[in-house]
This record gives sequence, structure tokens and C-alpha cells, in this order.
Amino acid sequence: AQTVTQSQPEMSVQEAETVTLSCTYDTSESDYYLFWYKQPPSRQMILVIRQEAYKQQNATENRFSVNFQKAAKSFSLKISDSQLGDAAMYFCAYRSLSGTYKYIFGTGTRLKVLA
Amino acid sequence: EAGVAQSPRYKIIEKRQSVAFWCNPISGHATLYWYQQILGQGPKLLIQFQNNGVVDDSQLPKDRFSAERLKGVDSTLKIQPAKLEDSAVYLCASSLSRSGGGDTYEQYFGPGTRLTVT
Repeated sequence: AQTVTQSQPEMSVQEAETVTLSCTYDTSESDYYLFWYKQPPSRQMILVIRQEAYKQQNATENRFSVNFQKAAKSFSLKISDSQLGDAAMYFCAYRSLSGTYKYIFGTGTRLKVLA
Repeated sequence: EAGVAQSPRYKIIEKRQSVAFWCNPISGHATLYWYQQILGQGPKLLIQFQNNGVVDDSQLPKDRFSAERLKGVDSTLKIQPAKLEDSAVYLCASSLSRSGGGDTYEQYFGPGTRLTVT
């Protein structure tokens, strides 16, 4: 069975600085999607960035980028030029492309942005 | 486009009572998910529908939880009878699941229903 592990329950970053959130996963599948979702306090969960496993190039979305290491089963999120609005829970997620196509979420990392 | 709608937003019940949650996904989205999110934890999938069929309900406590998605559109999740440990936020999400490729598999989440069982 697939698992997703986020080993950092909480992280802090100074405004305008860069922070990296870690995620590791375990799977025997070769094709899948990985995601980072953001859940601000009392607000809806939204997608931050996605990565297709078959693509070697790391995904980027404005100030957000990932470091995808398929062999190491690692998928970290880098937030550059951190802003106060980036404060939220961040969840790493795995989406199988076979079987039941299940989504599996990690336990989350709470990001605090310090002014 | 309208987002995923959920109601009610908040519910407080006593243990052994029953409760129902409603979800209306984004129009045209074939896949609908119900998650349970306990405070401080990640979402746990309870049930996944593809149109009006169940794809995965392996983590649904079937002795007390039930869900249906009539006509492949909106869905209801019911708990009967509720236990203290059911206190959580219940999230509904939907995704396009376009056949023929081109699906990004992004999930769109509703605001959730916060359930407190006393």
C-alpha cells in the first residue's frame, strides 16, 4: 500500500525568505501524480502545485517549486519570497494511476510566516 | 464556475444521535470524494464515487456511516449513531476524471462541515 510521510509538523519562515517543506512517499507503482495542497486557517483546501511522475522536469508555479526525486521517492516544496498569506497547513498527496486511483494525503506541515 | 458546496457548515449533536451532510460537486465532475479530517491530521478518504458508483469505501465504518450519490451529482453522507470520535471536519471534494486523457487529477474541495459530538 502507498504511504505519504511529512516529517515536519511545523515550520517557520521569515517574510521574504525561502522555506522548503519535505515529503516522502512509498509506492511500487511507476506512474502516478504528486500534489501539494494548501489549507489556510478556516478556509478551503486548494491546489498549490502538481507533478507527473513520468516527467523529469520539476514543476514550478510562480513562487512555488518542487524538487522531485523519483528514485528517492522524495517530493519537497520550496516557497520563495514567503508572504504572510502563505501561512497555512500544507499537505503532500499521492494519486495512483492504477487500481482504485486512490488519493493519499500526508499528515501535513503547518507553516508560520513571521513578519 | 461555482465551487463545491457543502451544508451545513457546522453541526453539534449528542452521541448516539444521527446526522447527515450534503455535498454538491462542481458541475460535470464525475468523481466525488468524502474525507474525514480530525484536528491536526491529514484528510482520510471515507468513500469515493465515480458517477453514481462506489469506487472505494474501504475506510468507511459501514456499521455507522453510509453515503449515496444519486444520479451521479450531489451526495449525502450519514452517521448513525454518532460517537465522540466522529468529531471532525468532513470534507467533500470533486474532480473531473475526464475520459480519453487530459485529466490533471486535481481535486476541488468544499468548505467542509465541522461536526462536534458531545
